[in-house]
Amino acid sequence: IQLTQSPSLLSASVGDRVTLSCKGSQNINNYLAWYQQKLGEAPKLLIYNTNSLQTGIPSRFSGSGSGTDYTLTISSLQPEDVATYFCYQYNNGWTFGGGTKLELK
Amino acid sequence: EVQLQESGPGLVKPSQSLSLTCSVTGYSITSHYWGWIRKFPGNKMEWMGYISYSGSTSYNPSLKSRISITRDTSKNQFFLQLNSVTTEDTATYYCARYYYITYFDYWGQGVMVTVSS
Repeated sequence: IQLTQSPSLLSASVGDRVTLSCKGSQNINNYLAWYQQKLGEAPKLLIYNTNSLQTGIPSRFSGSGSGTDYTLTISSLQPEDVATYFCYQYNNGWTFGGGTKLELK
Repeated sequence: EVQLQESGPGLVKPSQSLSLTCSVTGYSITSHYWGWIRKFPGNKMEWMGYISYSGSTSYNPSLKSRISITRDTSKNQFFLQLNSVTTEDTATYYCARYYYITYFDYWGQGVMVTVSS
């Protein structure tokens, strides 16, 4: 399964509601996770099984979707959310999306 | 808390073997599954393979002839060996805990490996 993330680059302001998209080439059956990676750091698991928030992750992060289309939403963007975000599917094999780089406007 | 740390040479010559170590603290590698992932320049990430709590392994078919993942349970470490490397193997390599062969929930910081003569 191939994953396509959009946009590849997103500029937003502090406080904005931000939506990142991940589209699969086949049905993912909700076996989708989202990762945040800040420069020079290890990837951090944010969301698994489409909409389950990993322990310790702020509630401003949420996931949704079904079938081939999935979304990560940040309800109110904070400066510390500047990072690259990856989606990852584990329904059929294991593949990563190409990433969305989120920057402050 | 589970912590992972990769180590190994940052420069490997073409046609040689790449060997990396992942040292795990806070959790025994005889439980769960443990994997390797790499991130190429330009951000593409690739699932490489894993080793299970029992020592069984599974590899990305695109790497199957070149990759080996092993472990030393006495040191709570697992290892990646990638043979016959080319410049296309230049990447940052990560080890991670693989939650029941689904998603990776704990990651190391990564080690950048450059393949160059």
